[in-house]
Amino acid sequence: SAVISQKPSRDICQRGTSLTIQCQVDSQVTMMFWYRQQPGQSLTLIATANQGSEATYESGFVIDKFPISRPNLTFSTLTVSNMSPEDSSIYLCSVEMRAGGYTFGSGTRLTVV
Amino acid sequence: AQTVTQSQPEMSVQEAETVTLSCTYDTSESDYYLFWYKQPPSRQMILVIRQEAYKQQNATENRFSVNFQKAAKSFSLKISDSQLGDAAMYFCAYRSGYQGAQKLVFGQGTRLTINP
Repeated sequence: SAVISQKPSRDICQRGTSLTIQCQVDSQVTMMFWYRQQPGQSLTLIATANQGSEATYESGFVIDKFPISRPNLTFSTLTVSNMSPEDSSIYLCSVEMRAGGYTFGSGTRLTVV
Repeated sequence: AQTVTQSQPEMSVQEAETVTLSCTYDTSESDYYLFWYKQPPSRQMILVIRQEAYKQQNATENRFSVNFQKAAKSFSLKISDSQLGDAAMYFCAYRSGYQGAQKLVFGQGTRLTINP
């Protein structure tokens, strides 16, 4: 299965600033998924990133707040913009290598102060 | 839209005992996949077990097995001979059977504690 390198693993940021999270996959994948996991909660999909086209965002998430880049088939970034304390969460990227074969990054724990 | 429900926010079990985590889901599709993921404090999401809806036989992985009841839309996870390392959050998840990469829909999670 694929291996995903996600960074940073954690960060503490000032409100009003932005943080960019990177995910590098060791093989080519068509789609990458970005999830948010708020404290004590489950994973919620933010968007699906397809190489060569704009990301598809889920209800409640907008591109201005969570811009995504997907420059090639092995790499993607998620930016959390104009952060507030409510953005404090774990952010995870994921890919599906085959039907039912999902791999996740190790997650980025973001704290906004 | 599909939904996944885990009705047990927390469960605890004595080491070496057996515990069952519940999961129900709602879908109008006939072809889909179901998963149980484990998330220890390290945050890493670890696949525990997978079930294809078209398979009647329940999936088994060592000490982990599922009871898949398609008509009832139920997908419970049984952990036998519980070990301290099994302590984690457990998430039930659903994937549509449509072709192409598909997102996972997660349940709310069950926090499992193992008592020594």
